[in-house]
Amino acid sequence: DVKVTQSSRYLVKRTGEKVFLECVQDMDHENMFWYRQDPGLGLRLIYFSYDVKMKEKGDIPEGYSVSREKKERFSLILESASTNQTSMYLCASMGERSYNEQFFGPGTRLTVL
Amino acid sequence: SQKIEQNSEALNIQEGKTATLTCNYTNYSPAYLQWYRQDPGRGPVFLLLIRENEKEKRKERLKVTFDTTLKQSLFHITASQPADSATYLCARVEYGNKLVFGAGTILRVKS
Repeated sequence: DVKVTQSSRYLVKRTGEKVFLECVQDMDHENMFWYRQDPGLGLRLIYFSYDVKMKEKGDIPEGYSVSREKKERFSLILESASTNQTSMYLCASMGERSYNEQFFGPGTRLTVL
Repeated sequence: SQKIEQNSEALNIQEGKTATLTCNYTNYSPAYLQWYRQDPGRGPVFLLLIRENEKEKRKERLKVTFDTTLKQSLFHITASQPADSATYLCARVEYGNKLVFGAGTILRVKS
């Protein structure tokens, strides 16, 4: 059974803190993605990675960075959390072909106070 | 930028009826459209993919159509059940393995 896991289901942080969200997949997928999901806005792509140490900006990368040191792990970093980064964060992975389905993790609901 | 629009109003239907959800896109037709289901507090789960040159795709009680003239995809659930209640997301596949998602439509099936 394929799996994408995220380090936390719920997280509460203070403004200005550095926040790490971890994502691990066990499917040996090349592609991994970070989204945020807000009511009425749907899923918006923050960053994605198509290979180890490779990263590409998505539609809303400001205020975020990512790290992919190993194929199975993709981390999202909020260098200095702000209240407008309160959201649901979803990680996904995908195999090689561009029309392949994406497999999503359960999500991390982050609240920044 | 390419957009995906889904009806923001929830769709409420009676058990046993067919639910039809709409997905409209702008500009050029994507080569592929995907549909996902999302339950509260969970990540989306892939349901179906339809290619630009396919008019229709079926999987059990699910059917998806792709009309490039109308720039629209329709998602049907026949003989709907309360367990089908969820948010359904449409996504277009973009160059570079990216997906552009719609905001989703909430489906509520009442018994």
